[in-house]
Amino acid sequence: EVQLVESGGVVVQPGGSLRLSCAASGFTFDDYTMHWVRQAPGKGLEWVSLISWDGGSTYYADSVKGRFTISRDNSKNSLYLQMNSLRTEDTALYYCAKDGLTTLDYWGQGTLVTVSS
Amino acid sequence: QSALTQPASVSGSPGQSITISCTGTSSDVGSYNLVSWYQQHPGKAPKLMIYEVSKRPSGVSNRFSGSKSGNTASLTISGLQAEDEADYYCCSYAGSSSVVFGGGTKLTVL
Repeated sequence: EVQLVESGGVVVQPGGSLRLSCAASGFTFDDYTMHWVRQAPGKGLEWVSLISWDGGSTYYADSVKGRFTISRDNSKNSLYLQMNSLRTEDTALYYCAKDGLTTLDYWGQGTLVTVSS
Repeated sequence: QSALTQPASVSGSPGQSITISCTGTSSDVGSYNLVSWYQQHPGKAPKLMIYEVSKRPSGVSNRFSGSKSGNTASLTISGLQAEDEADYYCCSYAGSSSVVFGGGTKLTVL
């Protein structure tokens, strides 16, 4: 059974930094591209970033480019999102999702990041 | 990376059929047969319902179907049931390894 468990979400002040983690199990982690998707309270889904199976290619939404960094450790079956220069508009539930080659087929339950002074 | 356009809400009575539209551009929906649909109940993670425009993952009811014409994709739910009440999001590959979601549609079963 595919499981994705996010962690690391907390309350942080504007301008602060945070690293989110996603622990994966139930599939061969290093075979798949992985994504981060976020959802602001009461709002829709917003794609944030993706990383290729080997970490060699990364892509970002314009809204986070230059501030967020996606990475992975295949030896630990883990995905990460380093978030710097956080803004109030980054407040959201952050999901990690597995790429099923043509879709995001499995999602975690999310971890909540609140940016507030 | 503009969001795909979905109606904010749709509604239907049990047993009826409803269709949710998802309008993009020639750079996303119109260029790729890589449209997916997700169902999200309150407080839950999104669940994949349709991928590659019209394919259903194992375990998803055949009451859910998808289609595409030009820059607009559609999700149809037939034989509406109470448990179908949820938010629905479309999603498309948008080139340059980016993904774009629709704004979401709240389905109310009357």
